[in-house]
Amino acid sequence: DSGVTQTPKHLITATGQRVTLRCSPRSGDLSVYWYQQSLDQGLQFLIQYYNGEERAKGNILERFSAQQFPDLHSELNLSSLELGDSALYFCASSGNLGGNEQFFGPGTRLTVL
Amino acid sequence: GENVEQHPSTLSVQEGDSAVIKCTYSDSASNYFPWYKQELGKRPQLIIDIRSNVGEKKDQRIAVTLNKTAKHFSLHITETQPEDSAVYFCAASEDSNYQLIWGAGTKLIIKP
Repeated sequence: DSGVTQTPKHLITATGQRVTLRCSPRSGDLSVYWYQQSLDQGLQFLIQYYNGEERAKGNILERFSAQQFPDLHSELNLSSLELGDSALYFCASSGNLGGNEQFFGPGTRLTVL
Repeated sequence: GENVEQHPSTLSVQEGDSAVIKCTYSDSASNYFPWYKQELGKRPQLIIDIRSNVGEKKDQRIAVTLNKTAKHFSLHITETQPEDSAVYFCAASEDSNYQLIWGAGTKLIIKP
């Protein structure tokens, strides 16, 4: 267990809908990262937050948004969902000192029908 | 910005043989190079990492080597076992932003 939690574990929804994925980082970690992993694909970096502020942006669609709250948990919002958004979404966290290791949560599997 | 290339995309080795996966990076400022293992349906997990002030690091059957001049680093797995079958990802980062730039992954298949 990495100490990073994600909810829900599975999510099935229809095209055009909006969903929210939630992530709680490891205790003390200030950075949260979101990744998308489509079937048999690599890890596509979406966005990074550090202590509540957006730090880096990757290949995140305009239909997607995220935020990190004062208690450091983060949410990824996906709207106007398309079939191609079906994927495994991982959240990872890392500390601000002493290294760059990212600890991954178990992921949320999103299926868009 | 940083770019990480990883080869091969698929590697099939006989059980007991060694496996080597290679990555190259572009940004000379990168100083942290982790390797993650992702088993089917599971989360990626760090298996070994190396910093730029070290040329080699070993942990039991796995080792990582770094050539800063050539900007490449490699994962070596010796005496491969069935449980080594997984996708392996390399990554690179520098300390200023803690953002990892990922390779595309290598699917390692261990043949019995």
